[in-house]
Amino acid sequence: SQELEQSPQSLIVQEGKNLTINCTSSKTLYGLYWYKQKYGEGLIFLMMLQKGGEEKSHEKITAKLDEKKQQSSLHITASQPSHAGIYLCGADTGYGSSNTGKLIFGQGTTLQVKP
Amino acid sequence: NAGVTQTPKFRILKIGQSMTLQCTQDMNHNYMYWYRQDPGMGLKLIYYSVGAGITDKGEVPNGYNVSRSTTEDFPLRLELAAPSQTSVYFCASSYSLRQNNSPLHFGNGTRLTVT
Repeated sequence: SQELEQSPQSLIVQEGKNLTINCTSSKTLYGLYWYKQKYGEGLIFLMMLQKGGEEKSHEKITAKLDEKKQQSSLHITASQPSHAGIYLCGADTGYGSSNTGKLIFGQGTTLQVKP
Repeated sequence: NAGVTQTPKFRILKIGQSMTLQCTQDMNHNYMYWYRQDPGMGLKLIYYSVGAGITDKGEVPNGYNVSRSTTEDFPLRLELAAPSQTSVYFCASSYSLRQNNSPLHFGNGTRLTVT
């Protein structure tokens, strides 16, 4: 079965610093999703990547999917306290007719931003 | 538009008790999911449904049951609660199979403790 591994598991950065979170898959990624979670709340969708080499940005957050489609990175530029939370990557477990809509997740990366 | 609504928000059960976690969505989504979240473990898929009357097992289905009699509702049943089922449970829904521009929408979770 497919597994997603995130690194690092936790991260503490000073406000204003850049940071990167990685998500590595044991199999080819057909759809990679990034979500953010604040404590006690549900998950908020950030971005989705499908094509090898694809890159998307929203405000100060950029996500990339590598050419081989087995790793994605999430980069935050000039971090702010509002960026604090748990970041999770999720992936489709199939493609085309074999895609059941089943979405698996990595274990999450906890980010703290010190003012 | 309420989105995905989960009840209750918190619950304490004794070992061997049963309960139903409720989940309802008002977005006319076909796909619905139940995940559990344990510290450092990310989200694990319990059960999912691709439409009314259709359910399937996820990664960790043991000890749980689901039903999908309507498009809106997807309750999760715990028949004989065990301490291992102490967790935060999230319900989610999605419109499309590939979730291309229709990512998972999450409820705010149910925090369950079994003692």
